[in-house]
Amino acid sequence: DAKTTQPPSMDCAEGRAANLPCNHSTISGNEYVYWYRQIHSQGPQYIIHGLKNNETNEMASLIITEDRKSSTLILPHATLRDTAVYYCIVRVGVGSTLGRLYFGRGTQLTVWP
Amino acid sequence: GAGVSQSPSNKVTEKGKDVELRCDPISGHTALYWYRQSLGQGLEFLIYFQGNSAPDKSGLPSDRFSAERTGGSVSTLTIQRTQQEDSAVYLCASPGLTNTGELFFGEGSRLTVL
Repeated sequence: DAKTTQPPSMDCAEGRAANLPCNHSTISGNEYVYWYRQIHSQGPQYIIHGLKNNETNEMASLIITEDRKSSTLILPHATLRDTAVYYCIVRVGVGSTLGRLYFGRGTQLTVWP
Repeated sequence: GAGVSQSPSNKVTEKGKDVELRCDPISGHTALYWYRQSLGQGLEFLIYFQGNSAPDKSGLPSDRFSAERTGGSVSTLTIQRTQQEDSAVYLCASPGLTNTGELFFGEGSRLTVL
């Protein structure tokens, strides 16, 4: 049901870029790619989303391949506080009737000093 | 309110008792979601509200689980005759006011059934 595939775990040195991949080969034309993260014992936090163009905000950058079958979340300068489970989700978004979100198992990112 | 509020933050109950968990979502938005997360597991969808109706409640694990929403705002998730396997963090979420599709989650209600 999750419609996405992510590696179960990754690690990254503090200060380096963390590149988190996500495969969504069955994505539909009207589905967006959303990324959330969940720091231990907290509720999930929205990070970024996109349709087909690359996006950047104060937290991260999102690179979506031209065929939209995969994407990469980039944390340009990872810190210890970025250690969390990162979820990639595809869903019909902006302005439409919202429905169930499938979170899958996500990627556990560990940033080490 | 400015964010999603959930109460209680922690609840310990005995097996067989009923519990009620409350969610107060972001003001002004009609959608509301309930998820739960067991220890070390991913997020499991429970139910989705649009206004006071629940177009998708297929995630409720048994008929001991029910949820309602009144006035298009506060929602209550009720678990009857709790079992130990109901122990989890129950999370509520609602969209933000920018209507760009992201969800804002509360901090959750941690339920422990002894």
